[in-house]
Amino acid sequence: SQTIHQWPATLVQPVGSPLSLECTVEGTSNPNLYWYRQAAGRGLQLLFYSVGIGQISSEVPQNLSASRPQDRQFILSSKKLLLSDSGFYLCAWSLSGLGWQYFGPGTRLTVT
Amino acid sequence: GDSVTQMEGPVTLSEEAFLTINCTYTATGYPSLFWYVQYPGEGLQLLLKATKADDKGSNKGFEATYRKETTSFHLEKGSVQVSDSAVYFCALSGMGNQFYFGTGTSLTVIP
Repeated sequence: SQTIHQWPATLVQPVGSPLSLECTVEGTSNPNLYWYRQAAGRGLQLLFYSVGIGQISSEVPQNLSASRPQDRQFILSSKKLLLSDSGFYLCAWSLSGLGWQYFGPGTRLTVT
Repeated sequence: GDSVTQMEGPVTLSEEAFLTINCTYTATGYPSLFWYVQYPGEGLQLLLKATKADDKGSNKGFEATYRKETTSFHLEKGSVQVSDSAVYFCALSGMGNQFYFGTGTSLTVIP
């Protein structure tokens, strides 16, 4: 069966510090991968998605970036965090033709 | 473009009450439709799905029917429990690899 992991589960970082969040999928190949952000009490905002290694599409211009160094690994990064980057970050995967997404447990990021 | 609109919350119900959360969509082509549930502090879980018109998705006592004529996919449950308290998201997958989510509806069930 397929599983999706995210780490860390929680993170508190000062403004201006770097960020690296990791997402890994097991049990499937060539997944489409997605990063979402959820602000407190709000809906989902799609940040990035990837259909293959090295292929990243950005939905929202910002100080975040994403990379996909391996087929089942998706990394969200920032060189300098802003207060507005605080939120709940969710990784998700799907397969072309499958039609639905599976979500990871999320990372709670607080920028102080 | 494709989009999903769901009823604003929060919704507060007494245990064993009937639940309806409205969801309508706009899409080109023939999207698949989903309901996801998010418990506090957790990721989203797929609750049910419907991939074509007139399909009924069901799971854990929840149901939703894909109505193409009204472009709707309303979530219903006949008797809610305290454990159903969560945020519910309506979503669709359209052309390509794009997914579109509603803004979420918070449900609180009181004993």
